[in-house]
Amino acid sequence: KAGVTQTPRYLIKTRGQQVTLSCSPISGHRSVSWYQQTPGQGLQFLFEYFSETQRNKGNFPGRFSGRQFSNSRSEMNVSTLELGDSALYLCASSLEGTGWTGELFFGEGSRLTVL
Amino acid sequence: AQTVTQSQPEMSVQEAETVTLSCTYDTSENNYYLFWYKQPPSRQMILVIRQEAYKQQNATENRFSVNFQKAAKSFSLKISDSQLGDTAMYFCAFISYDKVIFGPGTSLSVIP
Repeated sequence: KAGVTQTPRYLIKTRGQQVTLSCSPISGHRSVSWYQQTPGQGLQFLFEYFSETQRNKGNFPGRFSGRQFSNSRSEMNVSTLELGDSALYLCASSLEGTGWTGELFFGEGSRLTVL
Repeated sequence: AQTVTQSQPEMSVQEAETVTLSCTYDTSENNYYLFWYKQPPSRQMILVIRQEAYKQQNATENRFSVNFQKAAKSFSLKISDSQLGDTAMYFCAFISYDKVIFGPGTSLSVIP
């Protein structure tokens, strides 16, 4: 079974630009969550999507947004990039319903550098 | 608000020795899971061990075991017979149906 796939793996942007990151969950997983990882702030929860609806949201400005498609694939978008948005963005998927165990399956991440 | 604390930012252990990583959390919920995740230098986060809050028995997975003290809200990870491949960041995580909270992580180095 294929794991969680994130694209692109690396990208460089300049301040003011926007970026879109993609995440394909494990087949059958309907929940996708996103995290920002930085050396100073650690792992911070961005948002979670389930059945195309945002179910939970972390404490990030409105420049960070996301969506989920009917095939459970998810994208996150950051607009008007700032230097502080440089981070590793991790996506995780999980199984829902009676099979829920809380376990998150992570992708390898997208490393964003903002210049 | 729920919090997860890992009081040891960095630790080191000699190969083949045993090390314990600490984690405490704060919650008023009853139904949740606790996890230890490992992030090696190659970056991908992988599950080490899981504990259901309603189970009193401590989880064990080969060389990895936990000491789960629900009343004290403590969830430590013991790694026995440490191996070089155990070198990684270790994150403690609290997951309920609508919350995911990670601790700040402990960087573990296994010394040959």
